[in-house]
Amino acid sequence: GENVEQHPSTLSVQEGDSAVIKCTYSDSASNYFPWYKQELGKRPQLIIDIRSNVGEKKDQRIAVTLNKTAKHFSLHITETQPEDSAVYFCAAGDTGRRALTFGSGTRLQVQP
Amino acid sequence: GAVVSQHPSRVICKSGTSVKIECRSLDFQATTMFWYRQFPKQSLMLMATSNEGSKATYEQGVEKDKFLINHASLTLSTLTVTSAHPEDSSFYICSAIALAGGANEQFFGPGTRLTVL
Repeated sequence: GENVEQHPSTLSVQEGDSAVIKCTYSDSASNYFPWYKQELGKRPQLIIDIRSNVGEKKDQRIAVTLNKTAKHFSLHITETQPEDSAVYFCAAGDTGRRALTFGSGTRLQVQP
Repeated sequence: GAVVSQHPSRVICKSGTSVKIECRSLDFQATTMFWYRQFPKQSLMLMATSNEGSKATYEQGVEKDKFLINHASLTLSTLTVTSAHPEDSSFYICSAIALAGGANEQFFGPGTRLTVL
């Protein structure tokens, strides 16, 4: 089955700096890579996703890159703000009916 | 986007009792729903795949006789934790796949916090 590894487990940055979270996956059949933000006690919220037919996607301060050959994908948050503080999960799956496999999560702390 | 609801949002029960959690897709039909479990400070772990009209598919290590899943309609899946014990205390989240933006996307319910005393 799929195995997703995520690094780092914790990340502390100063407000305004950039944050980068990296994930690797094992199943070459995976073609859908979403990123979720989860606040304490809440459901995961999709913040951006990328499908295997593109290498990069950007939405305002958030961007995701995908390297299918190396089987890794990354989340980039620029101009971080205190409200970006949360736990971020990467996941891998497909656009069919397979469940997602989640990474272990990254706790991001943005210091004001 | 598509909306998935869960009920109850939190439940506290005594050890040995059974608890039923409902997952509903409110504005779309879901032939497949997923049940995840999340322990404190950990990631979401898939427990089972719930298929409408057929038996659920359980992940390795998840006891099907303890975690009963019923997907009786295209909008409702239920998870029953039977004979709950303190180690079953966790955050249970369901999700369903719906078409969004021309592709399938997984939508999560708000989760159910189960505490077993």
